[in-house]
Amino acid sequence: QSALTQPASVSGSPGQSITISCTGTSSDVGGYNYVSWYQQYPGRAPKLMIYDVTKRPSGVSNRFSGSKSGNTASLTISGLQAEDEADYYCSSYTSSSTFVFGTGTKVTVL
Amino acid sequence: QVQLVQSGAEVKKPGASVKVSCKASGYTFTTYAMHWVRQAPGQRLEWMGWINTGNGNTKYSQKFQGRVTITRDTSASTAYMELSSLRSEDTAVYYCARIWLRSGYYYMDVWGKGTTVTVSS
Repeated sequence: QSALTQPASVSGSPGQSITISCTGTSSDVGGYNYVSWYQQYPGRAPKLMIYDVTKRPSGVSNRFSGSKSGNTASLTISGLQAEDEADYYCSSYTSSSTFVFGTGTKVTVL
Repeated sequence: QVQLVQSGAEVKKPGASVKVSCKASGYTFTTYAMHWVRQAPGQRLEWMGWINTGNGNTKYSQKFQGRVTITRDTSASTAYMELSSLRSEDTAVYYCARIWLRSGYYYMDVWGKGTTVTVSS
């Protein structure tokens, strides 16, 4: 199972919106509405930010939103803040009853 | 509160095996599957496999098939991940994470803090 493809880095100024893409295949991202997104600070465990493509867990800021079109899912962070600077990973359930993560995206707040 | 507490850091020689534990608290252990994810230094998250803590069934990533064994002890609310035939490329932080054992739930909502495994001669 190959990793889902994400841009290596995305940057934006405070207050701006950024979008991170996550491209897979019809056997994972495109085949199921089971894409989740995780935020990870250096040296820390990942934290769930979005699940089932668009849903936010309790306690996660509504500045984070998710969407999907075909084999590509996206995470949008609006009103970018300094605390959003972190690595972000997408993940999807697959047709093999396994999971796959994305290549990861480093978000930089300029 | 819900917690996954992992065992401490390990240093192993190439060819050896390592067994990492993940003790759950704050919820009913057998209602959530336990997944294992690793992250090599500076690299991406990599899914390794999971165990149905209720019936013990397992599923592994093809990449680790034959080298990884995930088990659980329900009396101790603890899951284990054993990786054998270690090589330097297995140097990584190993995380456990839970997913609710109900149809339609496919996201890891609670993670352990990670266990660093270093493979070095």
